[in-house]
Amino acid sequence: AQSVTQLDSQVPVFEEAPVELRCNYSSSVSVYLFWYVQYPNQGLQLLLKYLSGSTLVESINGFEAEFNKSQTSFHLRKPSVHISDTAEYFCAVSMNTGNQFYFGTGTSLTVIP
Amino acid sequence: GAGVSQSPSNKVTEKGKDVELRCDPISGHTALYWYRQSLGQGLEFLIYFQGNSAPDKSGLPSDRFSAERTGGSVSTLTIQRTQQEDSAVYLCASSLKGVHEQFFGPGTRLTVL
Repeated sequence: AQSVTQLDSQVPVFEEAPVELRCNYSSSVSVYLFWYVQYPNQGLQLLLKYLSGSTLVESINGFEAEFNKSQTSFHLRKPSVHISDTAEYFCAVSMNTGNQFYFGTGTSLTVIP
Repeated sequence: GAGVSQSPSNKVTEKGKDVELRCDPISGHTALYWYRQSLGQGLEFLIYFQGNSAPDKSGLPSDRFSAERTGGSVSTLTIQRTQQEDSAVYLCASSLKGVHEQFFGPGTRLTVL
């Protein structure tokens, strides 16, 4: 069975500090990996994705995530957060053999001024 | 262009009543997903449509839940004899076949009294 684990339900961090949001998955087949972000009172939107190629992927607003196959992880990082990064972040996995997406329970990132 | 739209944005109903939730995917998107997001929970997969193929209903929590997609476009999620535990935000997403990025609608917040 496939599953996605986001161990940290809430992460408070001071502005301009670095942050890492953890995501681990379990799957017996090859996967595609995603991070979605949900800003307050808005819908989910794709932040970044790993399909193939370079294991380090970046978003336009400074986030990056690295696919680590041996550790089955896809942690999201940012070296310096802004107030505007306050949001709910969801990690998701899709199998390359199927149609379903599996989402984690989300991590609420709060950036403190 | 227009994104995924959902209606109504909010629905309050009494226990035991039936409700219908509507999703209009992005034009040309052949894949359509329904998810449920409960307070403090991640996204729970409900059902998946891809073109004219039989839908993947493996995520529907009970036989009170059903969904259809007419003409390969608009989809309706129906919940019969609603229960209080059905209260949640119901999200719809669409994507192009073979493209592993989902575009989410704003959701319908269902409250069952």
